[in-house]
Amino acid sequence: NAGVTQTPKFRVLKTGQSMTLLCAQDMNHEYMYWYRQDPGMGLRLIHYSVGEGTTAKGEVPDGYNVSRLKKQNFLLGLESAAPSQTSVYFCASSRTNNYEQYFGPGTRLTVT
Amino acid sequence: EDQVTQSPEALRLQEGESSSLNCSYTVSGLRGLFWYRQDPGKGPEFLFTLYSAGEEKEKERLKATLTKKESFLHITAPKPEDSATYLCAVQYNNNDMRFGAGTRLTVKP
Repeated sequence: NAGVTQTPKFRVLKTGQSMTLLCAQDMNHEYMYWYRQDPGMGLRLIHYSVGEGTTAKGEVPDGYNVSRLKKQNFLLGLESAAPSQTSVYFCASSRTNNYEQYFGPGTRLTVT
Repeated sequence: EDQVTQSPEALRLQEGESSSLNCSYTVSGLRGLFWYRQDPGKGPEFLFTLYSAGEEKEKERLKATLTKKESFLHITAPKPEDSATYLCAVQYNNNDMRFGAGTRLTVKP
């Protein structure tokens, strides 16, 4: 089992460019999450999904969109990147809510 | 405002010197409190889940406890390999999730 994988691992964008981060899990989990982690602020929830075809907003959703067309994949999109979106992005999955989350290795994104 | 606060921000211990990390929260409708360990450059790794006040969980040198407003992660006789950032998270209402900023633990040999 690979667990939770994320691609790419690193990316540098210019302001205004777009990109998609891919998260995949092979544990047949229903719930998937996208977080960002900034120094001194901890992990903040961007969007989450409670099952295939569903998405919901988290604590900091502005500037991001997500899609969950397949149960095993959760995509995070930035339509027009801004320097404030420079961060480390983590994807996670869990069997259901109130259960532990399994995290991917992260994507380090820099927007110049 | 819903908040999760961890203290201290950083803790330096000698090998074998026991201590505790604190996680206090001000959310209503707690569904679960989670402890994770995060090594530099990696994703968080699950340690414990606590669901109700009075509950305790143990794993090797770590023991987590929960009261109505806070949780403690007790580290007994730590080793250098216990050095990491420890994160606390609370799930509340239905799917709301809030993480603390973490405690960076360094254990010196």
